[in-house]
Amino acid sequence: ILNVEQSPQSLHVQEGDSTNFTCSFPSSNFYALHWYRWETAKSPEALFVMTLNGDEKKKGRISATLNTKEGYSYLYIKGSQPEDSATYLCAFSRAGGTSYGKLTFGQGTILTVHP
Amino acid sequence: ETGVTQSPTHLIKTRGQQVTLRCSSQSGHNTVSWYQQALGQGPQFIFQYYREEENGRGNFPPRFSGLQFPNYSSELNVNALELDDSALYLCASRSELAGPYEQYFGPGTRLTVT
Repeated sequence: ILNVEQSPQSLHVQEGDSTNFTCSFPSSNFYALHWYRWETAKSPEALFVMTLNGDEKKKGRISATLNTKEGYSYLYIKGSQPEDSATYLCAFSRAGGTSYGKLTFGQGTILTVHP
Repeated sequence: ETGVTQSPTHLIKTRGQQVTLRCSSQSGHNTVSWYQQALGQGPQFIFQYYREEENGRGNFPPRFSGLQFPNYSSELNVNALELDDSALYLCASRSELAGPYEQYFGPGTRLTVT
């Protein structure tokens, strides 16, 4: 994998459903994997930054896992609420020189939670 | 709130014109990056500035240029605008002391080129 790929592109769930998204990234020269939550007309909000294989992070009902050897990360939302509706972006940065400051983004997963 | 602001919010320009977009970084942040998000795509890295010098560039032509000022505010300049330059432009700031992890984004400037 040369780019960052996210799936699915969009997702519609009912309030209370649990859901998960996938982010695939190049496994070579890995430095960090970022997850952002982005509501329309607002700034992308950092959810998690993970750097170590096996990392698991949690913030409230949202959690994420990281597998750097196979190049994927999962984002889980438990008991989705309408306010979770947003675009979820993952971004990868490489090791080496100033590369770690450059984020390579996936195209995002658009989540819509219906009341 | 990320503490990063951008201006203007929206902008309409004509092909061939020049445009300047502005970003005000979070206090104490000495590194700023600019990203372009075209419709249906994820943000793409344009370039990064650290201590007023460019120190990383993505796959964008030289007509995309930038400036970073001593107060860590910055500008993105695009010359000879093309229709494909229509996009949302995001800036992100961070502190070198905090390492590369925490990048704080502004809400973006929506540029339309007609």
